[in-house]
Formats: sequence, C-alpha cells, structure tokens
Amino acid sequence: EAQVTQNPRYLITVTGKKLTVTCSQNMNHEYMSWYRQDPGLGLRQIYYSMNVEVTDKGDVPEGYKVSRKEKRNFPLILESPSPNQTSLYFCASSPPGLGVYEQYFGPGTRLTVT
Amino acid sequence: AQKITQTQPGMFVQEKEAVTLDCTYDTSDQSYGLFWYKQPSSGEMIFLIYQGSYDEQNATEGRYSLNFQKARKSANLVISASQLGDSAMYFCAMRVLSGTYKYIFGTGTRLKVLA
Repeated sequence: EAQVTQNPRYLITVTGKKLTVTCSQNMNHEYMSWYRQDPGLGLRQIYYSMNVEVTDKGDVPEGYKVSRKEKRNFPLILESPSPNQTSLYFCASSPPGLGVYEQYFGPGTRLTVT
Repeated sequence: AQKITQTQPGMFVQEKEAVTLDCTYDTSDQSYGLFWYKQPSSGEMIFLIYQGSYDEQNATEGRYSLNFQKARKSANLVISASQLGDSAMYFCAMRVLSGTYKYIFGTGTRLKVLA
C-alpha cells in the first residue's frame, strides 16, 4: 500500500530534550515536506526537500532541522524543543517534475512540549 | 510573496444542498497550481481537487468542482449535494512553478453539514 508513515504519532516531552520525528514514504517520491498545523493558522511549511541531500527552508524553519540522506526518509529534528513548538506535524511527499501533483500526507504527529 | 486567503472560518449547509467555500490567492507568478484538501475530524489530510493556472476548464472530481476565476484570483470549491460525511475542515493551497517547492496553505474553513 502506498503510504507516508510518521513516528511517533503522539509525543509529550519537556523543554530542551532533543527529539526526532521520523517520516518515511514507499512511493519513490523525490519531493518531501514538513508542515505544522496550529488552530487558526492552517498549515505552515517548515522545510522541504526536492531530493536526497537537497533541502530548503519553508516559512517557519526556526527551531527545526531536517536531513535527507535516503530518498524514502525525511526526519524532522527538534534539537531543543520549546513550548511554542507544541503543534500537529505533518509529513508529505509527492512526485517530482514540471507538473504539479497533489501531496500525500502522513497521519500526523501530535507533539506537546511542556 | 504568495498568499492564500480563506475568509470563512466556519460554515453550515443543509444535507443535499450545494455549498461554496471561498479561496482567494495572491501571486505574481504566471504558472501555479491550486489545491483543495479535506481534513476530517480524524485528522488525516485528503486531496480533493487540483487546478493549474493554464487550465482553461474548471476542474471537477465527482461532487467537487473548482470555480477558477483567474482575473479575480479566486479558486472556490463547490461541493454539490452535501453529505454528512462532508463535515470537515477544508484547506486551499497553492504552489508556484518557479523552481521552488514551497506550498502555501490557507487557514481553512470548517464545514458542518446538517441533517
């Protein structure tokens, strides 16, 4: 089954404790992206990657890191989480190319930082 | 800078009636794509429909159609014959085709279908 998986689905952590949210897709997509969703703000793009070792900032990259060492994986790293990073996080992927394609979203990770 | 505006935070519609969810966008690029996604209460994001800036015909997918008015920079979603299962949050999104893979989302419209 074609899918985007995220782990963990739920996470409660404390300020300053480094964490990683994993994202993996099995569709051989080149494009992957991370978003955060907050009430009243919709989805905001954190980082995206157009291919292995190619990443770029979205609109809200502060406090986050990403890496793309393999095509299928695109982990999101919070080196020192803060309460304002409490949010619902989505990973997404889509095919590359000149056309525009819909994104396939993971199920989401609900993060709470206390 | 690109921007998506959804001015209706919440809407109600009677079952079996049609409803229009508004979306306006702002970009100086000529090549772009517009998307609508549905997010039910379970949380997943579901792709509904896509419209390219050079597409002359309005996109349709089953009960969903996109009313694309390029001069007005609007891309409204029309849901015909609403069903109870259409109750969800709906997001309009845009990606310009200028080499970047940035996506911009609106703030969403929460639709409630009444029986």
